[in-house]
Amino acid sequence: QSALTQPASVSGSPGQSITISCTGTSSDVGGYNYVSWYQQHPGKAPKLMIYGVGNRPSGVPDRFSGSKSGNTASLTVSGLQPEDEADYYCSSYTSSPTYVVFGGGTKVTVL
Amino acid sequence: QVQLVESGGGVVQPGKSLRLSCAASGFTFKNYDMYWVRQAPGKGLEWVAAISNDGSNKYYADSVKGRFTISRDNSKNTLYLQMNSLRAEDTAVFYCARDQPDSYSPGHWGQGTLVTVSS
Repeated sequence: QSALTQPASVSGSPGQSITISCTGTSSDVGGYNYVSWYQQHPGKAPKLMIYGVGNRPSGVPDRFSGSKSGNTASLTVSGLQPEDEADYYCSSYTSSPTYVVFGGGTKVTVL
Repeated sequence: QVQLVESGGGVVQPGKSLRLSCAASGFTFKNYDMYWVRQAPGKGLEWVAAISNDGSNKYYADSVKGRFTISRDNSKNTLYLQMNSLRAEDTAVFYCARDQPDSYSPGHWGQGTLVTVSS
């Protein structure tokens, strides 16, 4: 299984917006609305931030939003805050050949 | 609140076996699909296995198929991962996670247990 493709790093200043891309194929991202995004701080477990392309679990700030176009999904963080500095991973259901595939991860730096 | 507590990690020699457990509480365990996800030191997340709420359907990553077995005991609210023929490349923190309903994605995660495969 090939991982979904994410940029290695993205940075922004406090208050700015950043967007992280997650590129797959028609067998995963492009074929299903089952894209999720996770935030992981160093030494901590991942936290679900977005599921089903654009749904936020309760407790996740509305500064976090998700979207999808074709084989590429995106996570946008608006009004960037220092605590948003973390690693972010996307995941998708995949039909070829198995259940779930993750992206390689993106390190977000708040300048 | 949802709690997932993994146990069973440790140092094991290549070729040996290990069984991980994940004790669940704070929700109706038998109603949820469950996952194992791992993270090698300094690396990204890798999905390992998933199991349906009643244990009738199991799914594995190609990297562990034939070596790892996921199972659950709904009477004990516990998820398991039996790992056989362990390799150095299996060294990772293993996370147990509960499905986010209707999303095919891990929602709530445990804190993880470290498995080190080394001679």
